[in-house]
Amino acid sequence: NAGVTQTPKFQVLKTGQSMTLQCAQDMNHEYMSWYRQDPGMGLRLIHYSVGAGITDQGEVPNGYNVSRSTTEDFPLRLLSAAPSQTSVYFCASTLLRGNSPLHFGNGTRLTVT
Amino acid sequence: GIQVEQSPPDLILQEGANSTLRCNFSDSVNNLQWFHQNPWGQLINLFYIPSGTKQNGRLSATTVATERYSLLYISSSQTTDSGVYFCAVSQGGSEKLVFGKGMKLTVNP
Repeated sequence: NAGVTQTPKFQVLKTGQSMTLQCAQDMNHEYMSWYRQDPGMGLRLIHYSVGAGITDQGEVPNGYNVSRSTTEDFPLRLLSAAPSQTSVYFCASTLLRGNSPLHFGNGTRLTVT
Repeated sequence: GIQVEQSPPDLILQEGANSTLRCNFSDSVNNLQWFHQNPWGQLINLFYIPSGTKQNGRLSATTVATERYSLLYISSSQTTDSGVYFCAVSQGGSEKLVFGKGMKLTVNP
């Protein structure tokens, strides 16, 4: 059982470049989300989705786009990378039944120079 | 929005010691979870505990929702318990968890 799979594990971008962080889950979870983790800040929600075709903004959505075309996949797109987007990004998923734990991927460490 | 505060921010223990981590939140919640981030950065769910008490081996957690706090107990700590512990909450049937800033635990052999 793979759980939540994120790729790549590491990425270095130059300012202005774009890229997509991939996230896939095989647990048939309706809810998927993206967080970023910065030192001393905990984890902050970027975007989330409660099902295919449905996405919404979290606490820090600027500079990021998402889409949810299937239940399994929830990619995060950086349109024009900035040094402030240097962070560790985590994808997470859970069932919507109300008493299900949140499961995290192993993270993607992104550096923007 | 809801505020989540964790204490203490840092804790250093000798192997075998017990510890209590506290999570205070500023409003009523219907979802509270504890996570452990190991030194390799992996986030592991420890407990889903919006109220009451749960135990899993050497770890247990208690949430007193009416007083807006939760406690995570670690007994007979081991070096593998080292890492950062996060408390996260959500309100109103939402799965959007708001995280505290975390508490770094170091267990020395």
